Amino acid sequence: AQSVTQLDSQVPVFEEAPVELRCNYSSSVSVYLFWYVQYPNQGLQLLLKYLSGSTLVESINGFEAEFNKSQTSFHLRKPSVHISDTAEYFCAVSTPSGGYQKVTFGTGTKLQVIP
Amino acid sequence: NAGVMQNPRHLVRRRGQEARLRCSPMKGHSHVYWYRQLPEEGLKFMVYLQKENIIDESGMPKERFSAEFPKEGPSILRIQQVVRGDSAAYFCASSPLAGYNEQFFGPGTRLTVL
Repeated sequence: AQSVTQLDSQVPVFEEAPVELRCNYSSSVSVYLFWYVQYPNQGLQLLLKYLSGSTLVESINGFEAEFNKSQTSFHLRKPSVHISDTAEYFCAVSTPSGGYQKVTFGTGTKLQVIP
Repeated sequence: NAGVMQNPRHLVRRRGQEARLRCSPMKGHSHVYWYRQLPEEGLKFMVYLQKENIIDESGMPKERFSAEFPKEGPSILRIQQVVRGDSAAYFCASSPLAGYNEQFFGPGTRLTVL
């Protein structure tokens, strides 16, 4: 069975500072990897995903994540955060299971951007 | 193309009542997944359905919870005799194919049990 670990439940960071949200996973089969963002009282929005190819993936709002197979990690980074980035971020792994893709989520990291 | 729709967005029930949560997948999607997010926790898989079939219900509590996805109409997650511990956000996702690499999420239904 697969699992996802997000060690940091909360990450405070000053505006315009860089940030890294950590995500590690375990799986015995090949995986797809995702980062979702959830704003208060809203649903999940896909931020970026790794399916194959280049191990570095980017979002349109400046986030990037790098798939590291040897370290089984998919950390999310942004070089300069904005107040509007304050939200909860979920890492997820998708693996084949009985003919469909089963998604397992981490417990989330709350990013608090301090003005 | 409208996204995944869920209603109601907020639902309040008293202990012992029934809760019915509805999910309309994206147009052209015939695969639906339900997740539950308890306070301060991540999303937990509950059940995966295709039209008229339950494919994987390994995450569903054994009692009081049921799900269906009829040939016509939305998918329904039904919780009978709700208890306070059922208070959570329930999210639905859909995909066009079983093995598709992405699931598309709805805005969720927030259930509060008084």
